[in-house]
Amino acid sequence: GIQVEQSPPDLILQEGANSTLRCNFSDSVNNLQWFHQNPWGQLINLFYIPSGTKQNGRLSATTVATERYSLLYISSSQTTDSGVYFCAVDLNQAGTALIFGKGTTLSVSS
Amino acid sequence: GAVVSQHPSWVICKSGTSVKIECRSLDFQATTMFWYRQFPKQSLMLMATSNEGSKATYEQGVEKDKFLINHASLTLSTLTVTSAHPEDSSFYICSARDRLAAGYEQYFGPGTRLTVT
Repeated sequence: GIQVEQSPPDLILQEGANSTLRCNFSDSVNNLQWFHQNPWGQLINLFYIPSGTKQNGRLSATTVATERYSLLYISSSQTTDSGVYFCAVDLNQAGTALIFGKGTTLSVSS
Repeated sequence: GAVVSQHPSWVICKSGTSVKIECRSLDFQATTMFWYRQFPKQSLMLMATSNEGSKATYEQGVEKDKFLINHASLTLSTLTVTSAHPEDSSFYICSARDRLAAGYEQYFGPGTRLTVT
């Protein structure tokens, strides 16, 4: 089956620092999404980005589908950015479930 | 944006009893919904794919007789944990895709935390 690898597994930052999270996947995909899981467990949709680049405030993401990786950039990090960031992809078929990476745990201290 | 709700948000039950979890798409229709399970400090693992009007498809290692899934309408899927045991304690999350949307973006419910005593 498709493999999804995220790095780094853990990241500790001071408030104001920038960071890059990486997601590698082993096959072509229809869908790639980045999520932030908050302390209550809710998955917050950050980006739906099967290819290309998107930006939303201090966050941006780039997916290079031909090279099978995606990057999530967090600039000027804040303590509220702390939590687990997941990358998830689907199989290259319509209507299939997302396969999740193991996540990157981000801790931002003030 | 698309909203998915789950009910209840948390539940405590005694070993041997059954628990039903509801997943609803509030502002869109979904022919397919997905059920995941997440153990502490771990990632989400797909349990089953719920198809409206037909039987669910279960992932390898997931007992279909223990985790009963019913997708009765285009906005509601239910997961029933039958004869629950402490090892079934976990965080259960559902997701759905808008069947009319052009892309494949999925939306997740807030999750249900199940504790079996």
